[in-house]
Amino acid sequence: DGGITQSPKYLFRKEGQNVTLSCEQNLNHDAMYWYRQDPGQGLRLIYYSQIVNDFQKGDIAEGYSVSREKKESFPLTVTSAQKNPTAFYLCASSARTGGTNYGYTFGSGTRLTVV
Amino acid sequence: AQSVAQPEDQVNVAEGNPLTVKCTYSVSGNPYLFWYVQYPNRGLQFLLKYITGDNLVKGSYGFEAEFNKSQTSFHLKKPSALVSDSALYFCAVRDIGDSNYQLIWGAGTKLIIKP
Repeated sequence: DGGITQSPKYLFRKEGQNVTLSCEQNLNHDAMYWYRQDPGQGLRLIYYSQIVNDFQKGDIAEGYSVSREKKESFPLTVTSAQKNPTAFYLCASSARTGGTNYGYTFGSGTRLTVV
Repeated sequence: AQSVAQPEDQVNVAEGNPLTVKCTYSVSGNPYLFWYVQYPNRGLQFLLKYITGDNLVKGSYGFEAEFNKSQTSFHLKKPSALVSDSALYFCAVRDIGDSNYQLIWGAGTKLIIKP
């Protein structure tokens, strides 16, 4: 079955550490997105990528970095510069052209906690 | 600029009663409209979409939504609520003419169904 996989489900980070969240999709979608969600809150866009080897900052990119070396993969690194990284992180993908969906497909999320 | 408003942070409904979760939008052109549902510690799941055609759209789990162009609204409805419908609901919009293909998200509405 086609889908989008995020790993790990839970991640613990020590102060000053960088950590990388994985996002892989086999939907042949061109666009991929990273969102941050705080408890009881909506979605805030961190980064997005519409094609391989290209990505743009979202609303809250500071302290985060991404890469898009393959169409299927869009990993997010939470750097030590992100002072309040504890949150639920969601990855999504979408087709840019054609199809009948026009919406996003989401992964199941990674919960990051600073210890 | 595109925007989505979900005016209610929380909606409380008794089981068996009809439910409505409100959404209004603003786009410069014609909209694609979506509803997604999120259960605790999970990713967002697609419920239904309006692309074109009939203004009443039927989706998953007995939900439906009515596109009202004059009121720029896309309210989510269900004739008889279930306790299992309790979740966080997100409305999203995309301008058909937007080359970024991005969805703009509402802040979410927490739906609580009481037995």
